[in-house]
Amino acid sequence: AQSVAQPEDQVNVAEGNPLTVKCTYSVSGNPYLFWYVQYPNRGLQFLLKYITGDNLVKGSYGFEAEFNKSQTSFHLKKPSALVSDSALYFCAVRARSNNNDMRFGAGTRLTVKP
Amino acid sequence: DAGVTQSPTHLIKTRGQQVTLRCSPKSGHDTVSWYQQALGQGPQFIFQYYEEEERQRGNFPDRFSGHQFPNYSSELNVNALLLGDSALYLCASSLDTSGGSTWDTQYFGPGTRLTVL
Repeated sequence: AQSVAQPEDQVNVAEGNPLTVKCTYSVSGNPYLFWYVQYPNRGLQFLLKYITGDNLVKGSYGFEAEFNKSQTSFHLKKPSALVSDSALYFCAVRARSNNNDMRFGAGTRLTVKP
Repeated sequence: DAGVTQSPTHLIKTRGQQVTLRCSPKSGHDTVSWYQQALGQGPQFIFQYYEEEERQRGNFPDRFSGHQFPNYSSELNVNALLLGDSALYLCASSLDTSGGSTWDTQYFGPGTRLTVL
């Protein structure tokens, strides 16, 4: 079965600095990979996805993620963090052979300090 | 264009009771998935409905059941509530583009916060 690991519970960065939120996955075959963001008392908002093609995926709000098959990683990045980026970020994976079951990581809380 | 909507926003129940949560998918979407998000954890897949049938199910007991209506809206029912059922229940909708499976993006509603006392 597929699974996702987000090794950092918390990431702190200063406003204007680059940010990285890490994600590694385990799945049989090729994956579909997703990043979602959750603000307090809200549902999840879609940021970006990797289906196939270019390993660098660009998404909403200036975020991007790089699919690395050899390292089974899909880290989320942004060149310059904003205070408003502070939220809970979830990585998710779906297997192409079982793609109705999406598995989420436990989440990483990003705090951007002014 | 309305996104995914869920009702009610909050719900308080006692152990042993039954609860029904409702979800209306994003306009144009035909597939609804339900997730349970316990405090401090990521969402866990409960099941998915497509063409009014349960297409796939996660690792949840039979106390969790659902339904999809002809207009694609959906209900999640939980019987014999336990304290551990307290969580945020999220509904996500998507469009089936591959005749039986979907890799398209799921869009989430704001969730229903269920508290079991």
